[in-house]
Amino acid sequence: DQQVKQNSPSLSVQEGRISILNCDYTNSMFDYFLWYKKYPAEGPTFLISISSIKDKNEDGRFTVFLNKSAKHLSLHIVPSQPGDSAVYFCAARLWVSGTYKYIFGTGTRLKVLA
Amino acid sequence: DAGVTQSPTHLIKTRGQQVTLRCSPISGHKSVSWYQQVLGQGPQFIFQYYEKEERGRGNFPDRFSARQFPNYSSELNVNALLLGDSALYLCASSPRVGSNQPQHFGDGTRLSIL
Repeated sequence: DQQVKQNSPSLSVQEGRISILNCDYTNSMFDYFLWYKKYPAEGPTFLISISSIKDKNEDGRFTVFLNKSAKHLSLHIVPSQPGDSAVYFCAARLWVSGTYKYIFGTGTRLKVLA
Repeated sequence: DAGVTQSPTHLIKTRGQQVTLRCSPISGHKSVSWYQQVLGQGPQFIFQYYEKEERGRGNFPDRFSARQFPNYSSELNVNALLLGDSALYLCASSPRVGSNQPQHFGDGTRLSIL
C-alpha cells in the first residue's frame, strides 16, 4: 500500500527554467510534508517542508505547494541549476501508535541540462 | 558541527550471517530512526528510538533489531541474512519526536549479501 506516490521516475529540465516535481498521497491524516534531495553515495538532504495547515512555503529558489483537497504536493525549483540534478524524495509524516512515522515516495530523478 | 555518521560505509556478507550497523546522531539529537532503501525505492522505515526506548517499528521481520545507547548512538542488527536484505541502510536523527524539525540523514551503509 503505497501511501505516498511520485509517479514521474525522471524529469529533464533546461538550466534556468522551472522544475516541478509532484507527489500524491492517499492518507488525509498526514500532518507534515517534506522534500529531500539525494546525490549518489550520499544520504538524503533535507530541502524544505510544509505543515498540513499551510498551502505554500518558500525558501530561496525552492517553493512547496500543498493542495489538501487533491492530496497533492509539488516542489518548484526556480531557476533550475545543473547542481540541482539529483533524486528528489517527498515524505509525509503520520502519527501512529504513539510516535511519528515518515513515509517516503519512490523518488524522481531530476536532470538539469546546461 | 558533525552530521549523522554511520559505519561501516560498505559491507559484504553471505546468506545466514549476522550484521551490526552503527550510527552516531547529530550532537544534541535524542531521536534516531533506521531506514532501508532498496534500489528504485524510497527509504522504508524500520525503527525509531528516543531516549533509549523503541518508539516505533515498521513492517520488518524479527530478524531486525536495534538499540540506542546512553550517548544516543544506535546499532541496527540483522540476523540470518537473506539476499533480499541487500540495500542501503540509512540512519536519521532529530532533536526529539514530534517537533517540526526534520530528520537529518547519514550517508548510509551499503550492505551486499552474496
